[in-house]
Amino acid sequence: GAGVSQSPSNKVTEKGKDVELRCDPISGHTALYWYRQSLGQGLEFLIYFQGNSAPDKSGLPSDRFSAERTGGSVSTLTIQRTQQEDSAVYLCASSPQGYTPYEQYFGPGTRLTVT
Amino acid sequence: AQKITQTQPGMFVQEKEAVTLDCTYDTSDPSYGLFWYKQPSSGEMIFLIYQGSYDQQNATEGRYSLNFQKARKSANLVISASQLGDSAMYFCAMREGLVAGANSKLTFGKGITLSVRP
Repeated sequence: GAGVSQSPSNKVTEKGKDVELRCDPISGHTALYWYRQSLGQGLEFLIYFQGNSAPDKSGLPSDRFSAERTGGSVSTLTIQRTQQEDSAVYLCASSPQGYTPYEQYFGPGTRLTVT
Repeated sequence: AQKITQTQPGMFVQEKEAVTLDCTYDTSDPSYGLFWYKQPSSGEMIFLIYQGSYDQQNATEGRYSLNFQKARKSANLVISASQLGDSAMYFCAMREGLVAGANSKLTFGKGITLSVRP
């Protein structure tokens, strides 16, 4: 079946511009996560959506970052007034809900470069 | 304090030999899960193996096994019979709480680079 998809795969933007990154989770997965991976680093949690519950936004680095998830499926991560330190690979993951700690399935990521 | 620590520098292993990648963790939650992911140069994150804090046996998945030492808070990944395709970055990650809920985020270590020599 189809995995997690993300678009665009690459995005180059000028400092100060807004960007939107899109994530399509695996069909039927109720949990959706956004992570950021800076060059040579591990993944940093940004935000987590679970069904209709309020999202866990505890990882968002500033109020320039926001995310929404429409209809319990597609999610958009928005970065306003981009800065050079926002350059990173943004990874989306999804997992099914349940009492078994299912692994998270990751998308291919969006590489964001802020010039 | 770091929750997941991976301190090994780049690791090298000869093809067909076994290699151990180290991971230590820190949590006060008695319920947690430990994951290993592989990230090849292409960038995708590939799930390898999972160990729950209450699991009595060490997890195994094919050539991957997890050496879980709860008292030492370590969860080392063992790859047996290394293959050239195992060359990648390997990340250890932890999820606090075993039920899908508010603590479902994964906390990752900084990763270890493994190179398999022919």
